[in-house]
Amino acid sequence: QQPVQSPQAVILREGEDAVINCSSSKALYSVHWYRQKHGEAPVFLMILLKGGEQKGHEKISASFNEKKQQSSLYLTASQLSYSGTYFCGTVSNFGNEKLTFGTGTRLTIIP
Amino acid sequence: DSGVTQTPKHLITATGQRVTLRCSPRSGDLSVYWYQQSLDQGLQFLIQYYNGEERAKGNILERFSAQQFPDLHSELNLSSLELGDSALYFCASSVAGTLSSYNEQFFGPGTRLTVL
Repeated sequence: QQPVQSPQAVILREGEDAVINCSSSKALYSVHWYRQKHGEAPVFLMILLKGGEQKGHEKISASFNEKKQQSSLYLTASQLSYSGTYFCGTVSNFGNEKLTFGTGTRLTIIP
Repeated sequence: DSGVTQTPKHLITATGQRVTLRCSPRSGDLSVYWYQQSLDQGLQFLIQYYNGEERAKGNILERFSAQQFPDLHSELNLSSLELGDSALYFCASSVAGTLSSYNEQFFGPGTRLTVL
């Protein structure tokens, strides 16, 4: 099944913080986060592996709770460029090469 | 610009027809992934190739097939097209063949397929 993301949509003012959650019904090995702007391709943000290690870039952070099968993406001091739809992608076990994307969260940053 | 190229950018065709979408990965990347994005289904993984071999299969219909050539470019063939096949088709590439490591995917600009 597709991971469920919450909220579905959020509107923030520049400088405010946001948290986007990703919840899976399956055990997870890794969580991948991507951002997609309207009409463009998804862009990589972060990978979190079971065991707590993570790799990403930009001014974002994320957490991965293996027991709860959840991940959260934290966007602090949001900028206009953060607007877009955020997708989590999950890999259910080591060696499973299928990335299952979540339902998406649309983030709009207003001045 | 991710370095991944896809052609054509737009494709309009009729039901029952067959089309081929092309993807060239970033230089040095051995893996190619195909995804379908539609409004009601979201971003769906179709298939992955690594260095010419099929590595993983997702929700790919039997009417669809793909291959990766020796120069590492890939083609996605869609046949007996139906209205519901209208979607944005992305390919992505990565260096490694596994998602069980830090293996970020770089997405191409996509091909928008419209079936009339």
